[in-house]
Amino acid sequence: NAGVTQTPKFQVLKTGQSMTLQCAQDMNHEYMSWYRQDPGMGLRLIHYSVGAGITDQGEVPNGYNVSRSTTEDFPLRLLSAAPSQTSVYFCASASLEADTQYFGPGTRLTVL
Amino acid sequence: KQEVTQIPAALSVPEGENLVLNCSFTDSAIYNLQWFRQDPGKGLTSLLLIQSSQREQTSGRLNASLDKSSGRSTLYIAASQPGDSATYLCAVGDTGFQKLVFGTGTRLLVSP
Repeated sequence: NAGVTQTPKFQVLKTGQSMTLQCAQDMNHEYMSWYRQDPGMGLRLIHYSVGAGITDQGEVPNGYNVSRSTTEDFPLRLLSAAPSQTSVYFCASASLEADTQYFGPGTRLTVL
Repeated sequence: KQEVTQIPAALSVPEGENLVLNCSFTDSAIYNLQWFRQDPGKGLTSLLLIQSSQREQTSGRLNASLDKSSGRSTLYIAASQPGDSATYLCAVGDTGFQKLVFGTGTRLLVSP
């Protein structure tokens, strides 16, 4: 039981490049979400999903896309990276029957 | 818009002390409140979850209380240990547990 896994752990991009941050969970959780954490600010919700095929926007969705084709995976796509997207990104999952959220180890992204 | 504040931002105590971390939120219409622990370079670990109908939750040396009417929660750590050194984050489940609004955290250092 690996819990919530995220890849890569570190990534450096140039402005304008695109990439996908991967998130997977093996707990059969319906709910998955992406947060970003910036210095001096709390974690902010980017996008979330309550099941395969269902996604919705959080507080800071601009510049990011998500899709949920399976229960296990919830990738986050940066379409055209900008320096403002330099951050640490966390994926989380939870069962709809229990409220505790489980977080992955994070991806540290730097956009030059 | 819900805002979550944590005071103090940093706290340094000697081993063995009992301590209290504070969390306040602006909108009392919350679904639940969670306390997380974050170690440097790591993800978040859920410590305690309090439903909006509850007043407190306990786990080992940790006790979290919730006063919705005043918009406050406290995390009490008894007999602190160096292993408790970490950043503690408070998060309010706003419109349903899916959307967490985080505070900026309290960085705790427990010295031997």
